[in-house]
This record gives sequence, structure tokens and C-alpha cells, in this order.
Amino acid sequence: KQEVTQIPAALSVPEGENLVLNCSFTDSAIYNLQWFRQDPGKGLTSLLLIQSSQREQTSGRLNASLDKSSGRSTLYIAASQPGDSATYLCAVAMDSSYKLIFGSGTRLLVRP
Amino acid sequence: GAGVSQSPRYKVAKRGQDVALRCDPISGHVSLFWYQQALGQGPEFLTYFQNEAQLDKSGLPSDRFFAERPEGSVSTLKIQRTQQEDSAVYLCASSEIRGLNTEAFFGQGTRLTVV
Repeated sequence: KQEVTQIPAALSVPEGENLVLNCSFTDSAIYNLQWFRQDPGKGLTSLLLIQSSQREQTSGRLNASLDKSSGRSTLYIAASQPGDSATYLCAVAMDSSYKLIFGSGTRLLVRP
Repeated sequence: GAGVSQSPRYKVAKRGQDVALRCDPISGHVSLFWYQQALGQGPEFLTYFQNEAQLDKSGLPSDRFFAERPEGSVSTLKIQRTQQEDSAVYLCASSEIRGLNTEAFFGQGTRLTVV
């Protein structure tokens, strides 16, 4: 059974810092991996989607990498801003399934 | 509309009451998913539709949970005889083509509180 783990569970950093959020999964036979952002009381906003054949994706200050063989993904946020404060969720879609399996998320606080 | 719309946004139900949660997916999206998100946790899969066909309902926690999408667009998640453990945010997502070979778009969710 696929399990997705995110570390750390919570992170507080001063504005301007570069930071890395980690996601690991137990079954490497994934189809793709997505990073989402969730603001309090809101739904999920997709940030980046990486297909299993890809190594990384970039969007603005965000860069997500995927090492499928080791079951790891990282989300790198450059020059963090208070507006980046949110919960970041990692989710995988399996080859044989269309369901997204989520981690529990990392709650990020960027202090002004 | 431009995105996935869910209603109501908030629902308080007395224990034992039946509730119905609505999801309007993005127009033309074939796939529709329901997820349940407990406080402090990631969403967990409940059920999946492709057009009007419910292809997977393995995540529904009990037979009190029922979902339908009769015309392949709007979907309703019904919970009968609600229990306190049903308190959660229920998220709906839709995607353009079959399965998840593409990006999933989520609604804002319905927060259900059972008292």
C-alpha cells in the first residue's frame, strides 16, 4: 500500500529565506506527483505536476524535483515571502490507479 | 463557472441527520473525485466518476455514504445518519480527461460539523 510522508510537519522561517519541503513515498511505481498549496478554509491549488519520466518542474520561485527510484520529491521555494504561508501537500497518482494519495502536509509560516 | 464549485460551504448537522453535498465540476471535465479531509490531515480518496459511471467507490467509509452523478456533470455526496466521526472537509475535484494523466482542479470544499 502506497504511503506518502511529508517532513517537516511544520516550518517557520523569516522572510527571504530559501527553503525545502520534503515528500517521500513507499512505492516507486507512480504515474505522477503533484504539489498543492492549501490556504486555511480553502481548497487545494495545484502548484506543480511532475510526470514519472521527468526529474523536475519549475514555476516562478518554485522548483519541484522527483527521484522516483528513491521515492523522494522536494519542493524548493526561493526567496520566501509572507504570502507563501500555507499548507503544502504532496500527492502521488499510481500507475494502476487514478486516485491521488496525499501526505499530511507541511504547514509553512513565513515571518515578515 | 471558471472553477469547481461546492455547496454548501459549511454545514452543521445534528447526529443522525442526513446531509447532501453538491459539486459542480468544471464544464466538460470527464472525471470527478470526492475526497475527505480530516483536521490536520491530507485528503483521502472516497470515490471516482467517469462521466456518469461510478468506477471506484472503495474509499467510502461505510454504507451510509452514497455518491451520484446522474447526468455526468453535477455530483452529490450523501451521508445518511451522520455520526461525529463524519466531521471533516469534503473536497471535490475534476479533471479534463480520463484518470489522472492530467491536472486535477479542486473546489473549496464543504466543511461538515456533526454535533
